[in-house]
Amino acid sequence: KNEVEQSPQNLTAQEGEFITINCSYSVGISALHWLQQHPGGGIVSLFMLSSGKKKHGRLIATINIQEKHSSLHITASHPRDSAVYICAVRSRGAQKLVFGQGTRLTINP
Amino acid sequence: DTAVSQTPKYLVTQMGNDKSIKCEQNLGHDTMYWYKQDSKKFLKIMFSYNNKELIINETVPNRFSPKSPDKAHLNLHINSLELGDSAVYFCASSQDSGTDTQYFGPGTRLTVL
Repeated sequence: KNEVEQSPQNLTAQEGEFITINCSYSVGISALHWLQQHPGGGIVSLFMLSSGKKKHGRLIATINIQEKHSSLHITASHPRDSAVYICAVRSRGAQKLVFGQGTRLTINP
Repeated sequence: DTAVSQTPKYLVTQMGNDKSIKCEQNLGHDTMYWYKQDSKKFLKIMFSYNNKELIINETVPNRFSPKSPDKAHLNLHINSLELGDSAVYFCASSQDSGTDTQYFGPGTRLTVL
């Protein structure tokens, strides 16, 4: 079992819908990252958080350290949000990131 | 200006050959990374350098050798290429090796025939 599990693996929704992608991890962490991989392959860092909640535009990331769980929300989804969203964690004391398998999101017009 | 650049973008080569992928960052970051993304899109760390010093060396074949001539560059040399080396290789950088945001290069798609 991977240290980082994401759900769902694939998600298809209609434009305008509220989207939630989940990430669960099994180790104590110092930070959790959410990344976006575009259909063309490029990877962009969306958020890095260690507690609470962060918001950037229509994207919101939350983390519950006690439950070892994070969610990425997208409000008013748009076809340009279609991408693979990847959760990654840095274990306490470690220097490397461990990645989830990604969630492929498709937003239809 | 491109923050993290990689060359080449595509690399097609025969089994047994030796090839290099170059990475440069102009962000002034101290730490650089090499990741491998397999056909299932799983990203895995291979190496990390901080100020030209190797700090992460995951279990990769010793045919893979990273080289950091200065803190702005981290190149990846692969000897005796095998079919299983086919993947997309991403370079990234961050200000430090702690909890800082990482900036990724565009990736190099390596195909070994």
